[in-house]
Order: sequence, then structure tokens, then C-alpha cells
Amino acid sequence: QKEVEQNSGPLSVPEGAIASLNCTYSDRGSQSFFWYRQYSGKSPELIMSIYSNGDKEDGRFTAQLNKASQYVSLLIRDSQPSDSATYLCAVSWGSQGNLIFGKGTKLSVKP
Amino acid sequence: GAVVSQHPSWVICKSGTSVKIECRSLDFQATTMFWYRQFPKQSLMLMATSNEGSKATYEQGVEKDKFLINHASLTLSTLTVTSAHPEDSSFYICSARGSTSGSWTDTQYFGPGTRLTVL
Repeated sequence: QKEVEQNSGPLSVPEGAIASLNCTYSDRGSQSFFWYRQYSGKSPELIMSIYSNGDKEDGRFTAQLNKASQYVSLLIRDSQPSDSATYLCAVSWGSQGNLIFGKGTKLSVKP
Repeated sequence: GAVVSQHPSWVICKSGTSVKIECRSLDFQATTMFWYRQFPKQSLMLMATSNEGSKATYEQGVEKDKFLINHASLTLSTLTVTSAHPEDSSFYICSARGSTSGSWTDTQYFGPGTRLTVL
């Protein structure tokens, strides 16, 4: 069974710190990886996608992928209270590109 | 770009009635649309996948006769919850994937969701 694992948290960091979110997945054949942010009561919004091993940076966000270790992470630099949300790791599989979501890590950034 | 809308944003209905939820891709052609359900404090669960002009593919455990999905055009998919019961109360979210700015992407863009409450 294909699985995506995340620490549920909550992860609490002070404002301005780096928040590190981790995710592991079971399907070695997965090629596409996504991080979504979901505020309470809202739908997920895409933060980043990553397809190749290494780092991908977009503003304060950096996604890291290690396919050999089946591990993907998201770093948030200079965390802000507005970053407080649940972060969902998603991995695509199969010809349809269906997404399997982790249960999400709840991040709390304290002012 | 890549905006997905849903209508209605919330709906309250009586047990036994049917409810239709619309999902539209506003600025791109969605060759594939996905329907998810999310219960409180749980992650998203995929209900079904639909390709434009084809029958939907339902996930195991999802009743296709209860959750009717139509994807008749590249910009519109509908989910109809038939004979709704209180246990169907949930947050229903669609996502769409297709061609944006002339190139195909495998990224799913989510609609804002529809909160269904069945009394």
C-alpha cells in the first residue's frame, strides 16, 4: 500500500526561525512531489512542486528531495505567524498522476 | 493563473435530498478533475478521478451510485450527492489538472471547497 508519512505535530517555532517539515513516502516509482498549505477550514493551496533530487527554492520556501532515501522536506525561513497552518506533503503515482497525501503537519509560529 | 472555483461554498440540506456541487477551471483546460472529501481533523481522501468525456474512476469504498460525477467539458465537473444522509456531511474539495499557459502540468490546483451539512 502506497503511503506518505508526516509528523502530525504540532510543530511550534518562534517568529523569524526556520521551520523544518519532513515527509517520507513508500513508492519508489513516484516522480512528482508537492507541498500544500491548508489553513483551518480552507482548501489546500500549492506551495511548491519538486521533481529532481536536490533543493528547490522559492522565496522563503525551500523544498528538498532525496529519492534514494524516499524523503522530501520543506524549509520555511523567517517564519511568520501567517505561516501557521497545516502543511500537506503529496506524492503522485500511476498513469493518472493521482496524489497520495500525508496527514499533514500542523505548524504554529509564535510571535 | 490556474484558478479553480467551486459552487456552492456551503450547503445545508435535509436527509434524503440530492445536492449538486460544481467545479470549474476558470483559466485553463482541465483534462482531469479530482474529487476529495475531508472530515474534521483528517487528511484529504480521494473519492474519484474524472477525465473529460469519460466515466469517472472511483476509489475503493466510494459508492458510484451515490456520488455521481460528470465531467462533460474541459472546464466543468459536477459531483451530485444523491439521497444525502448526515454521515455524508463533510468538506468536499475538487482539484483540476491540465494545460496552463499552453503547457501541460501534473500539478493539481484545488477549488475552495464546499461544506455540506445534511440535517
